Amino acid sequence: KAGVTQTPRYLIKTRGQQVTLSCSPISGHRSVSWYQQTPGQGLQFLFEYFSETQRNKGNFPGRFSGRQFSNSRSEMNVSTLELGDSALYLCASSSRTGGAGYGYTFGSGTRLTVV
Amino acid sequence: AQSVTQLGSHVSVSEGALVLLRCNYSSSVPPYLFWYVQYPNQGLQLLLKYTSAATLVKGINGFEAEFKKSETSFHLTKPSAHMSDAAEYFCAVSSGSGGSNYKLTFGKGTLLTVNP
Repeated sequence: KAGVTQTPRYLIKTRGQQVTLSCSPISGHRSVSWYQQTPGQGLQFLFEYFSETQRNKGNFPGRFSGRQFSNSRSEMNVSTLELGDSALYLCASSSRTGGAGYGYTFGSGTRLTVV
Repeated sequence: AQSVTQLGSHVSVSEGALVLLRCNYSSSVPPYLFWYVQYPNQGLQLLLKYTSAATLVKGINGFEAEFKKSETSFHLTKPSAHMSDAAEYFCAVSSGSGGSNYKLTFGKGTLLTVNP
């Protein structure tokens, strides 16, 4: 079955702009999480959604937001981009009710470069 | 609060040698523990996970890890390294109930180099 699909794979944006990243989870998975990966900070949790509800949020400024649709697809938005937002953004999905015990499957990520 | 410490940001082994990547965790409640591998320009691939069943967990590609509660460790091993094992490896923990159960906390990663 198809894995977690993230689009686009690569993005270049200018400081001050906003960006929207998309994630389609594995069919049947209802939990979607987002992570930011940078060389300096490593992998950091952004937020997690289940059935269109945000269940947990990481320590990121309000410029980072997300949402989940009724078909479980998710988007994350970053407004007023800063150079430090350059990162690999990873999406992960989990089955049924989600939660760590079920494990997480990651997508290939979206590489965002802010110039 | 949960945290993960991976000892050694870079490990180098010869092909055919034992691979040992170290991970220690901190959690106030019984944790779920994971090892992921990341190849260049790719996402994370799950190698194995501990979810309170057997303490010795076998994963893909010949990797295994042992959960040791007394040492709060979850080290990853492979008896014989292959060139294709060269990648970055991440240990992760998730624990607690409610929101804490819905996120992974990762270590800083260990870059594994395999020499011919």
